[in-house]
Parts: sequence; C-alpha cells; structure tokens
Amino acid sequence: AQKVTQAQTEISVVEKEDVTLDCVYETRDTTYYLFWYKQPPSGELVFLIRRNSFDEQNEISGRYSWNFQKSTSSFNFTITASQVVDSAVYFCALTDGQNFVFGPGTRLSVLP
Amino acid sequence: DTGVSQDPRHKITKRGQNVTFRCDPISEHNRLYWYRQTLGQGPEFLTYFQNEAQLEKSRLLSDRFSAERPKGSFSTLEIQRTEQGDSAMYLCASSLRAGGADTGELFFGEGSRLTVL
Repeated sequence: AQKVTQAQTEISVVEKEDVTLDCVYETRDTTYYLFWYKQPPSGELVFLIRRNSFDEQNEISGRYSWNFQKSTSSFNFTITASQVVDSAVYFCALTDGQNFVFGPGTRLSVLP
Repeated sequence: DTGVSQDPRHKITKRGQNVTFRCDPISEHNRLYWYRQTLGQGPEFLTYFQNEAQLEKSRLLSDRFSAERPKGSFSTLEIQRTEQGDSAMYLCASSLRAGGADTGELFFGEGSRLTVL
C-alpha cells in the first residue's frame, strides 16, 4: 500500500526565513510519481511540482526547491526567503499512475 | 473559465436526505477523480474514472455513495441517506492520461462543501 507522511503539522516562520517541509513516502512500486500541492486559504489545491521515480535531480524554481532522495524515500520542499503569501497548507502526494495518495499536509504560517 | 468547476459550492442538508454534486472537468481531460477532505486532513481518495469507466473505488465509498460519468465528460457524486459524518469538502480533480508512463498532475476544482445537520 502507498503512504505519504508529513510529520510537521504546523510551521511558523518570520518573513524572509527559509523553511523546509518534509515528506516521506512508502511504495512497493518501482515506477511512481511525487507531487507537491499548495492549498491557500481560498481552498483550491494548486499544483507546484511533479517528479518521477527515475529522476532524482533536484529542482529549483525561483524561491522554491525540491530535494528528492530515493534512498531515504523523501521528497522535501524548501522555500527560500519566505513571504506572507506563502502561508498555506502544503500537501505531498504519490501516485503509481492510478490513484493519488496525499499526505496530511503541513500548515505554514509566514509572519510579517 | 476552462478550469474544473463544481456545483454547488455549498450544501446544507438534514440527516437522511440525499445530495448530489456535479463536477465538470477540463474538457480534454480523460481522467476524473473524487476526493473528500475534512478539516485539517489531506484529501482522501474516493473514486476515479477514465473516460466513462469507473476504474477504482475506495473502501471509504460505502453503498450510500455512488458516482457516475455517463458520457465521459461531467460526473456526479450522490450521497444517499446522509449522515453527520458525511460533512466534508468534496473535491473533484481531472487529469490527462495520454498513455505510456507519463502521469499528468491533477487539476482541482474549488470543492463542494457539505454540511449535514
């Protein structure tokens, strides 16, 4: 069975601090895909990034970066120089190409 | 607007009543998913369709829940004899599965919030 764990329930940082959101996953599949979604207070889940299990290259997009480590089954997300607009709930998700399994989410509060 | 749309956005009902939610996916998307989200939790998978075929149902989907996607376009999720425990946000998402090993991301609607009194 697939499982996604996000051990951090809530994180608070002060604006301009860097913050890392952890994601650990479990799967027996050799081919799978990992995702991060953002759910702002307005409620709609917004796609941030997708990685497949064969691509462990880290990725940077502006202030966002992702660290995929297959050896530790982790797919962590870092926001550099956080801003108040980054305040949201962030979900990590896993799919084998069929169902998508989501973690419980990490609520990030960025204080001015 | 070419995103995923859900209707109604809010529904308040009395226990025992039936409710139906509708989802219109992005037009070229062949996969449609239903999720349920309660406060402070991540989305929980309920069921998904590829075109009009329902490919998987979660055990969370009791016999009071039924979903359809009759023409492979819009979908409905019906809950019969609602219970207070059904109160949640029901999320619809769509994606384009074009074959091969690639898996597209899910595009979510704004959700339909159900309150059962």
